[in-house]
Amino acid sequence: VQLVESGGGVVQPGRSLRLSCAASGFSFSDYGIHWVRQAPGKGLEWVALISYDGSNKYYADSVKGRFTISRDNSKNTLFLHMNSLRPDDTAVYYCAMIVDDFDMWGQGTMVTVSS
Amino acid sequence: SYELTQPSSVSVSPGQTARITCSGDVLTNTYARWFQQKPGQAPLLIIYKDTERPSGIPERFSGSSSGTTVTLTISGAQVEDEADYYCFSATDNIRMFGGGTKLTVL
Repeated sequence: VQLVESGGGVVQPGRSLRLSCAASGFSFSDYGIHWVRQAPGKGLEWVALISYDGSNKYYADSVKGRFTISRDNSKNTLFLHMNSLRPDDTAVYYCAMIVDDFDMWGQGTMVTVSS
Repeated sequence: SYELTQPSSVSVSPGQTARITCSGDVLTNTYARWFQQKPGQAPLLIIYKDTERPSGIPERFSGSSSGTTVTLTISGAQVEDEADYYCFSATDNIRMFGGGTKLTVL
């Protein structure tokens, strides 16, 4: 039972990047999934949430209009499409399932926005 | 704007009781969760629905709620409890974390 993020790296300001989160060991299509990020030495910041079927999506004000969360339940995969990246988007990005008395997080993928 | 406010740091000696507060208007009508994060690790859920403890979480961790404030209490804090603690809640279409509290047990 795990979530595994990928797709991070170094990108120039203004460019785009797509993160993926591969799920295994549970019924992925039954659960909403979050993206949460953590800038170096800083606290946790909630980024986005997508409902189990992808019909509802919610975003933090800091990324609204620039980031898009999506999912492919046939491939048990969650995505975060990040456009117009800024230096303050630099962070470790986690996908996380947080449901009632249970949580599961990936190991995180680092995104660095720098020229 | 919605926000959750936590003290930046709390310090206790081993065996003492540590209390970490989280305040915000949204807490009057929605539940809070608490996460523990140790260096280099992903967060871990330790309290949900203000006061409930997931299985496997030691009984020394407890939560309470009053008005616009929720409190995480660690009774008899241990050295291994030294970590960052975050409250987490939701309102309307937004989820949010508190700014985090660094607990030092020394």
